[in-house]
Amino acid sequence: AQKITQTQPGMFVQEKEAVTLDCTYDTSDPSYGLFWYKQPSSGEMIFLIYQGSYDQQNATEGRYSLNFQKARKSANLVISASQLGDSAMYFCAMSPYSSASKIIFGSGTRLSIRP
Amino acid sequence: EAGVAQSPRYKIIEKRQSVAFWCNPISGHATLYWYQQILGQGPKLLIQFQNNGVVDDSQLPKDRFSAERLKGVDSTLKIQPAKLEDSAVYLCASSLDRSPLHFGNGTRLTVT
Repeated sequence: AQKITQTQPGMFVQEKEAVTLDCTYDTSDPSYGLFWYKQPSSGEMIFLIYQGSYDQQNATEGRYSLNFQKARKSANLVISASQLGDSAMYFCAMSPYSSASKIIFGSGTRLSIRP
Repeated sequence: EAGVAQSPRYKIIEKRQSVAFWCNPISGHATLYWYQQILGQGPKLLIQFQNNGVVDDSQLPKDRFSAERLKGVDSTLKIQPAKLEDSAVYLCASSLDRSPLHFGNGTRLTVT
């Protein structure tokens, strides 16, 4: 069975500091994709970053990077130089490629940025 | 490109009533998903369509929930009869094969 675990229900970070949001996963599929989404208080789900299981390098998108450790089955999101607008819920998600792209989500981490 | 469109944005109904949600995916996206997000939780997949065929509906409560995607484009999710525990945000998403999901703004359902 596939599972995504986010162990940090909430985090507080000072503005301009870097923050790491944890995500571990479990799957028996050899090929899969990992995603991070941001959900502000307005409710929309915003795609942030993607990592494929066979990608050799960690994904980066602007201030977002994904610390992918395949052997440990972890896919942590790193946000550099945090901004007040980064305050939101963050969800880690996984898509095992054998499951016709079924995507499952973790329970989320609420990130609050302090000015 | 236009995003995923959902309506209505909000809906309040009494228990045992019926309700329907509509979704129009991004043009060209063959895969369409309906997720249920209960307050404080991550989205839970209800049903996944590939064109107009159902790929996965294992977590859809079929005694009260139904969904269809006629002609492989728009989709409708219906609840009949609604229960209090159905109060949630219903998110529609679409994607190309193995690409990130693009979500609509969701429909916030309150069942009283």
